[in-house]
Amino acid sequence: DAKTTQPPSMDCAEGRAANLPCNHSTISGNEYVYWYRQIHSQGPQYIIHGLKNNETNEMASLIITEDRKSSTLILPHATLRDTAVYYCIVSFNGGYQKVTFGIGTKLQVIP
Amino acid sequence: ETGVTQSPTHLIKTRGQQVTLRCSSQSGHNTVSWYQQALGQGPQFIFQYYREEENGRGNFPPRFSGLQFPNYSSELNVNALELDDSALYLCASSSGTDEKLFFGSGTQLSVL
Repeated sequence: DAKTTQPPSMDCAEGRAANLPCNHSTISGNEYVYWYRQIHSQGPQYIIHGLKNNETNEMASLIITEDRKSSTLILPHATLRDTAVYYCIVSFNGGYQKVTFGIGTKLQVIP
Repeated sequence: ETGVTQSPTHLIKTRGQQVTLRCSSQSGHNTVSWYQQALGQGPQFIFQYYREEENGRGNFPPRFSGLQFPNYSSELNVNALELDDSALYLCASSSGTDEKLFFGSGTQLSVL
């Protein structure tokens, strides 16, 4: 499975868009990008995933570059409840559950 | 529909003891994965069970073992506990047709 690189921490003002980057330069053609977040003392929560097209759901948008070597998770209007650790994972569909998560990005939303 | 539930929420054991952690998967899910999360780290994959059979294992020694039952609930057993086994143990369930993982809130294990 391809490795991912994320900044260890980021700040975002409440109400502004939070843009969380992830580098996955060794991604192969049939590997998906998944995003999860973990709020303190809870289990991780699925956010979104995609292969090569940009994706949007009620929680966030996922932008994947054309060469698929990086992606950005966008929370359009960050709230204090979005403060969490965000994990970017790259793996084959059907196998990513067996992937060890990295340390993720600690997003702090500031009032 | 009920979510993933884990028990107990907290547990304290001493080195050398054995522990069993339990997980009830979300309704309709036939796959359960277990993770260990040390303080300040991301979840590390232990193993996965699909329809009562082990379906993949991470880099953990044999003293970490598991079971999945006909109702798809699962147990994680750890023998000969070591201090480094202190961590949050997370269970996640999924269905064969949906790649989303649904996590429980975990069991916090402390080994003294």
